[in-house]
Amino acid sequence: DGGITQSPKYLFRKEGQNVTLSCEQNLNHDAMYWYRQDPGQGLRLIYYSQIVNDFQKGDIAEGYSVSREKKESFPLTVTSAQKNPTAFYLCASLDSHLATNEKLFFGSGTQLSVL
Amino acid sequence: AQSVTQLGSHVSVSEGALVLLRCNYSSSVPPYLFWYVQYPNQGLQLLLKYTSAATLVKGINGFEAEFKKSETSFHLTKPSAHMSDAAEYFCAVSEPFNQAGTALIFGKGTTLSVSS
Repeated sequence: DGGITQSPKYLFRKEGQNVTLSCEQNLNHDAMYWYRQDPGQGLRLIYYSQIVNDFQKGDIAEGYSVSREKKESFPLTVTSAQKNPTAFYLCASLDSHLATNEKLFFGSGTQLSVL
Repeated sequence: AQSVTQLGSHVSVSEGALVLLRCNYSSSVPPYLFWYVQYPNQGLQLLLKYTSAATLVKGINGFEAEFKKSETSFHLTKPSAHMSDAAEYFCAVSEPFNQAGTALIFGKGTTLSVSS
């Protein structure tokens, strides 16, 4: 079955540590997105990538980094510069060629907490 | 710039009662509009979407939404609430074509509680 896989489901970060959240999709989608979800604030866009080897900052990119070396994979690194990393992180993908059938597919999320 | 406002962060209804979740949008071009549902510790699932066809859109689980351009609204309704409808609901907006830099803009969400 096609879909988006995020791992791990739960992740703990120590002070000053970088951690990487995995996002893999087998939907052959061009575009991938990372959102951060905080209670009462909805989803906020961190980074997105329209094609391989290209990515753009979203609204809250500070303290995060990404790479897009393969179409299937869009890992997110939460760096030590991100002072408030505790949140639920959602990865999504979209077939950008289907402009009239726009639909984001979401992974099941990763809950990141600070120790 | 596009934006979405969901009125009411928390809505409570009794089982069998009408569900009404409000969403107003702001967009400089005719928008595409979406409603997503999220159950605890899960990703988002698309309920329905408006993409410039019929203004009354029917989705999964008995939900529907009506696009009203004059009111810039896209409210979500369900005639009779079920206990399983308890979840968080997000309204989202995007431009009609996936131009470079476009992503879905989400509202802050509305938590729906259903009591027996």
